[in-house]
Amino acid sequence: GNSVTQMEGPVTLSEEAFLTINCTYTATGYPSLFWYVQYPGEGLQLLLKATKADDKGSNKGFEATYRKETTSFHLEKGSVQVSDSAVYFCALRNYGGSQGNLIFGKGTKLSVKP
Amino acid sequence: DAGVIQSPRHEVTEMGQEVTLRCKPISGHNSLFWYRQTMMRGLELLIYFNNNVPIDDSGMPEDRFSAKMPNASFSTLKIQPSEPRDSAVYFCASSLGERPFFGQGTRLTVV
Repeated sequence: GNSVTQMEGPVTLSEEAFLTINCTYTATGYPSLFWYVQYPGEGLQLLLKATKADDKGSNKGFEATYRKETTSFHLEKGSVQVSDSAVYFCALRNYGGSQGNLIFGKGTKLSVKP
Repeated sequence: DAGVIQSPRHEVTEMGQEVTLRCKPISGHNSLFWYRQTMMRGLELLIYFNNNVPIDDSGMPEDRFSAKMPNASFSTLKIQPSEPRDSAVYFCASSLGERPFFGQGTRLTVV
């Protein structure tokens, strides 16, 4: 079946530090991959996505590259800000029949200190 | 568009009571998802509809949970009877194609 595994948090960084949150997946076929962000008290918002191998999704300084050979979609940011403090979810979606649902990892909480 | 609208935002109920959570998806979207979020289990898919038809309800925890989508603009998730372990944040999401949009969630507390 489909599944997503992401690194456990919490992750605590100082402002301007480099961020990596690891995500690997298991899926049949060719899923689309997503990173969602959840700020305190809010719903999930799409941060970035990639729909095929070697695609790079990017938004707000965050990047992730769809690596089919390693089944990974690691999230990176070169210089984090306090405002990036949130929970980050990696997700995949397969298509067709009952495969159309969106499967999430357990989330990684990021805290950025000034 | 107002986005995915969930109601209520917060619900506190006593054990044994019936709880109904509501969702209005984005107009024109053809897929709707219900998720449950807890500290212990993270974000779990409960049920997924496509064109108002339940496609995958394997995540529904037990018979106390039921979901309906009578038309393209409305869905409900019902818990009867509710139990304290049902306390969680319940999210609804809708999509057309591959990008689901999430509502702000309903925080359910069962005491």
